[in-house]
Amino acid sequence: AQSVSQHNHHVILSEAASLELGCNYSYGGTVNLFWYVQYPGQHLQLLLKYFSGDPLVKGIKGFEAEFIKSKFSFNLRKPSVQWSDTAEYFCAVKPGNTGKLIFGQGTTLQVKP
Amino acid sequence: NAGVTQTPKFQVLKTGQSMTLQCAQDMNHNSMYWYRQDPGMGLRLIYYSASEGTTDKGEVPNGYNVSRLNKREFSLRLESAAPSQTSVYFCASSEWGGSYTFGSGTRLTVV
Repeated sequence: AQSVSQHNHHVILSEAASLELGCNYSYGGTVNLFWYVQYPGQHLQLLLKYFSGDPLVKGIKGFEAEFIKSKFSFNLRKPSVQWSDTAEYFCAVKPGNTGKLIFGQGTTLQVKP
Repeated sequence: NAGVTQTPKFQVLKTGQSMTLQCAQDMNHNSMYWYRQDPGMGLRLIYYSASEGTTDKGEVPNGYNVSRLNKREFSLRLESAAPSQTSVYFCASSEWGGSYTFGSGTRLTVV
């Protein structure tokens, strides 16, 4: 079965620290990849997406992600986190020609001021 | 504002009661989805509608039914609520294969 795995369930960082959240998926064909963010009490918002082309994707608020096809990975990075980045982050994969998103379990990021 | 609107935002049901969660989008998207979000489990797809007039089961359809009333509206019905259905429910829409836009969610508690 297709699945998405996020390595870290809960990450605590101090402001200005660098962030990397891991995401791996199990599907051998063409995929579209997404990172969504959910701020406390809010709905999910698109952070960035990869459909094709340059595997290094830049999103909003200084986030970026790198698609490494050989590793089935799409890790999220930010060089310097802020307190306002405290949120839950979801990796999602859309396999092949399906319209359905498969989500990872989510990673809660807590940034201490 | 363009987007996905869900009602109600909060609901408490007694076991065995029924209710319908409403979802409407004004972005002229063809596809709509219902997910539930539970701690530590991410979002799981309940049902989806690839286009008006079609609906299909997702990962966790048991205990739910859906209706794609028209292109804008996609409702989720719990016929006989159970405590295991306590969750946050999100509706989303997209063009088939495109990015999703999510609604603000319905927090449902079944006692």
